[in-house]
Amino acid sequence: AQKITQTQPGMFVQEKEAVTLDCTYDTSDPSYGLFWYKQPSSGEMIFLIYQGSYDQQNATEGRYSLNFQKARKSANLVISASQLGDSAMYFCAMRELTSGSRLTFGEGTQLTVNP
Amino acid sequence: EAQVTQNPRYLITVTGKKLTVTCSQNMNHEYMSWYRQDPGLGLRQIYYSMNVEVTDKGDVPEGYKVSRKEKRNFPLILESPSPNQTSLYFCASSLSYPRDRAYEQYFGPGTRLTVT
Repeated sequence: AQKITQTQPGMFVQEKEAVTLDCTYDTSDPSYGLFWYKQPSSGEMIFLIYQGSYDQQNATEGRYSLNFQKARKSANLVISASQLGDSAMYFCAMRELTSGSRLTFGEGTQLTVNP
Repeated sequence: EAQVTQNPRYLITVTGKKLTVTCSQNMNHEYMSWYRQDPGLGLRQIYYSMNVEVTDKGDVPEGYKVSRKEKRNFPLILESPSPNQTSLYFCASSLSYPRDRAYEQYFGPGTRLTVT
């Protein structure tokens, strides 16, 4: 079964607007971590934000925030005030207690920011 | 500067010609891993290593070998490459995963491999 699902292959947003990238996950582990990575066209993987399963508050990092809804098993990434440089592929990933340090990735969402 | 390096960054080769992609990290991380990235599939783990001399298969290990003789290095070996191994490869490292915390994985810049 797919453990990480990103249902939006592509998303478009106007510059300066906010955008939400969806991520749902499936796990029976009580302890897990959720990550978002950005991959620009140059190819490198850039860590954006992390949310632990026991964290009480949603994670925030600058313009990035993670809308963590544990009961619904969703971990959506919210980018506020989009910039042209935000155009990239975005990956959601999960690490489970039973899998140690291993990351499981979703298929990715290609975000395009329009001027 | 903390980093993961991979070499080569780009490689075009022919079917059956053995090749090695090197990976090195300078952060004294115990955990190292190889992923391949293919369109529509995200990143899939090939092999990982929890520490020196400890390696294990990931989701797609067929056609690959790894070794971990030193903590900093984790080379990926393709003994007899085939066209279906054409992909973008990433090496990553992190501290080992304690029970109640999680650590960010640091990724190398990627190696784009084409097998003709």
